[in-house]
Amino acid sequence: EVELVESGGDLVQPGGSLRLSCAASGFPFSPYEMIWVRQAPGKGLEWVSHISDTYALSNADSVRGRFTISRDNAKNTLYLQMSSLRAEDTAVYYCARVSRSSNYKEFDFWGQGTLVTVSS
Amino acid sequence: QSALTQPRSVSGSPGQSVTISCTGTSSDVGGYNYVSWYQQHPGKAPKLMIYDVTRRPSRVPDRFSGSKSGNTASLTISGLQPDDEADYYCCSFAGSYTWVFGGGTKMTVL
Repeated sequence: EVELVESGGDLVQPGGSLRLSCAASGFPFSPYEMIWVRQAPGKGLEWVSHISDTYALSNADSVRGRFTISRDNAKNTLYLQMSSLRAEDTAVYYCARVSRSSNYKEFDFWGQGTLVTVSS
Repeated sequence: QSALTQPRSVSGSPGQSVTISCTGTSSDVGGYNYVSWYQQHPGKAPKLMIYDVTRRPSRVPDRFSGSKSGNTASLTISGLQPDDEADYYCCSFAGSYTWVFGGGTKMTVL
């Protein structure tokens, strides 16, 4: 059974840093592209970052230069390193798997999310 | 990377059909046949319902269907059931391995 479990969410002060983790199991992690999506309280979904199976990276304009996605295939784990955090980064952060069933452009499994709160 | 435009809310009675629209630009919805739709119940993770505009994962009932015309994609739910009450989000590939989501639509079953 495919499972994605996020961790690392916490209360952090503005300007601070945090690293989120997403532990994957139930599927061969290394061939799959992965993403992070966030959802501010009471708001909609926002795509944040993508990493390919060959470690190519992309980021939303809102986090470029501050957030870095990475992966450790030996540990079956996806990461999101967040720095220079702002109040508007407060959200539940989800990791999700990019499907390999068609054109690799949709997200077929999601974790339950981890809450990041940026506040003084 | 502006969010796609969805109606804030739609509603329907059990057994009826409802359609949710999702409007983007030629740089996202209109430029690629890579629109997906996600269902999210309160406090839960999103669930993939439609991908590549019209395709359904095998576990999703055929009451859910997708379409696209120009810069607007649509999700239609027929034979509404109480469990269909949820938030629905469209998402489009926008090139260079970037994606954009819609603002979300709250679907109420009356």
